[in-house]
Amino acid sequence: DTEVTQTPKHLVMGMTNKKSLKCEQHMGHRAMYWYKQKAKKPPELMFVYSYEKLSINESVPSRFSPECPNSSLLNLHLHALQPEDSALYLCASSQDSAAVTGELFFGEGSRLTVL
Amino acid sequence: AQKVTQAQTEISVVEKEDVTLDCVYETRDTTYYLFWYKQPPSGELVFLIRRNSFDEQNEISGRYSWNFQKSTSSFNFTITASQVVDSAVYFCALSPGYQKVTFGIGTKLQVIP
Repeated sequence: DTEVTQTPKHLVMGMTNKKSLKCEQHMGHRAMYWYKQKAKKPPELMFVYSYEKLSINESVPSRFSPECPNSSLLNLHLHALQPEDSALYLCASSQDSAAVTGELFFGEGSRLTVL
Repeated sequence: AQKVTQAQTEISVVEKEDVTLDCVYETRDTTYYLFWYKQPPSGELVFLIRRNSFDEQNEISGRYSWNFQKSTSSFNFTITASQVVDSAVYFCALSPGYQKVTFGIGTKLQVIP
């Protein structure tokens, strides 16, 4: 079983809905990540939190709003999404907060469909 | 700029055959890290190996082996005696040593029983 837990596993939402994706890890990792993966494509980095502070935002549209309430939790708030935002959203964590010299631990992802 | 190229998008092999997944990378950094990840149908990416740019020693782990050659900017992955459970998408990835990881497009491996 993965040590990074993501909920929900599947989410269908309309373009006017507001929803949230949640991610939790209890490995004491200090960096957490959101990746977006379209079908048959590699994961693309969206956000990085390091010590609960946003350290990287890869020019993600504001309809995606990340939040890190504490070192174990990472949320991605979704509002006014477009159908092209449908994808697998992967959460990851790493022990190393300053540099990705170690491995990333991924969750199984939340598969989002925007109607 | 960093780039990872996995020229093989899909490979099919018969069980027990050996298979090599190719990875070629581009970077201007002198220090960098290379990774291989496996993504089974369940979705989560599973870390397989990390190599830093100063360590060209090849590595073997069970049926898996990795060949890192800086001279050709390649970091190839070989599975010996493939099994059906090896069927997955395999990603090669590159990091400059801070939080950005660049993934290749992935190679889908299908092992046929």
